[in-house]
Amino acid sequence: EAQVTQNPRYLITVTGKKLTVTCSQNMNHEYMSWYRQDPGLGLRQIYYSMNVEVTDKGDVPEGYKVSRKEKRNFPLILESPSPNQTSLYFCASRLRGERNYNEQFFGPGTRLTVL
Amino acid sequence: AQSVTQLDSQVPVFEEAPVELRCNYSSSVSVYLFWYVQYPNQGLQLLLKYLSGSTLVKGINGFEAEFNKSQTSFHLRKPSVHISDTAEYFCAVTSPSNTGKLIFGQGTTLQVKP
Repeated sequence: EAQVTQNPRYLITVTGKKLTVTCSQNMNHEYMSWYRQDPGLGLRQIYYSMNVEVTDKGDVPEGYKVSRKEKRNFPLILESPSPNQTSLYFCASRLRGERNYNEQFFGPGTRLTVL
Repeated sequence: AQSVTQLDSQVPVFEEAPVELRCNYSSSVSVYLFWYVQYPNQGLQLLLKYLSGSTLVKGINGFEAEFNKSQTSFHLRKPSVHISDTAEYFCAVTSPSNTGKLIFGQGTTLQVKP
């Protein structure tokens, strides 16, 4: 089954404790991205990657890191989480190319709480 | 810069009634427009999209939307809603020059009452 998976689905942590949220897709997609969803703000892009070893900042990258060492994986790293990073996080992927904009697949989400 | 405004944060409606969820966008370049649905505790699912061609687009679950370039709108409609349509709906925009990034609206919660 074609899908985007994220782990963990739920995470409660404390300020300053490094964490990684994993994202993996099995569709051989080049493009992957991370969004955060906050009430009243919709989804905002954190980082994206056009291909292996190619990443760039989205609209709200502060406090986050990413890496793209393999095509299928795109982990989101919070080196020193703070309470304002409490949010619902989504990973998404699609094939490159303009005609594929409508084929963006989203993961199930990771609900992160930073105390 | 592009932006999306969903004019209603919550829309309560009775079952079998029609509904319209409003979306306006701002962009200086050509756009692609999308509506996504998020059911409770789930990820986003694509309802429909406008890329080009006919301005009236039909999606899944009986939803449709009309692209109006002059009014920069992309309102979502359904003639008769069901309880199962209760969810949050997001309008989103992107463009060829936007590296594929989706700009989302704030979301509209559709509450269908029996």
